[in-house]
Amino acid sequence: EDQVTQSPEALRLQEGESSSLNCSYTVSGLRGLFWYRQDPGKGPEFLFTLYSAGEEKEKERLKATLTKKESFLHITAPKPEDSATYLCAVRGSQGNLIFGKGTKLSVKP
Amino acid sequence: ETGVTQTPRHLVMGMTNKKSLKCEQHLGHNAMYWYKQSAKKPLELMFVYNFKEQTENNSVPSRFSPECPNSSHLFLHLHTLQPEDSALYLCASSQDKSARYGEQFFGPGTRLTVL
Repeated sequence: EDQVTQSPEALRLQEGESSSLNCSYTVSGLRGLFWYRQDPGKGPEFLFTLYSAGEEKEKERLKATLTKKESFLHITAPKPEDSATYLCAVRGSQGNLIFGKGTKLSVKP
Repeated sequence: ETGVTQTPRHLVMGMTNKKSLKCEQHLGHNAMYWYKQSAKKPLELMFVYNFKEQTENNSVPSRFSPECPNSSHLFLHLHTLQPEDSALYLCASSQDKSARYGEQFFGPGTRLTVL
């Protein structure tokens, strides 16, 4: 069964304190792993797509990496405006996105 | 308007009411989706339309009825809902369901409260 598990459930950081979010997945033949950011009361905002182990993508303070079993979202020197819930999803065997529960990130000034 | 828009943004309804949620995408996409987002749960896929044809119904109760008149518009008709149906309903679109670059773009959602 296709499955996505994100950890931790919540993460509190001080401004400038770098850290990583984890997304572990089980899927038959990965056809894309997606990261989204969701602010309270809003829809998810697309960040990255990764397709193969070893692939990396960056956007400002965020860097996403992918292995055969998991993906990491590294946040370097975060700022308060990076506070949000980060969602991970994989494209399942039926072609649809399977989402994790998300990691709620809080960055304190 | 750009991206994916949804109306209304907030909706409060009684269990005997009938209401509709509307979604419009301005991205030229051919696939549209309805998701339900409840607290502490992953996004749940409800319906998928690809080139106006419904390709998936994830065992959604019949009190939710989707309609896709064209590739740019998607509706979710609601009737005789239950309090447990209260959630954020999200619409999304993508190039098409089977595209390699299957990024989905989401609207802001409709916050639904069923009394």
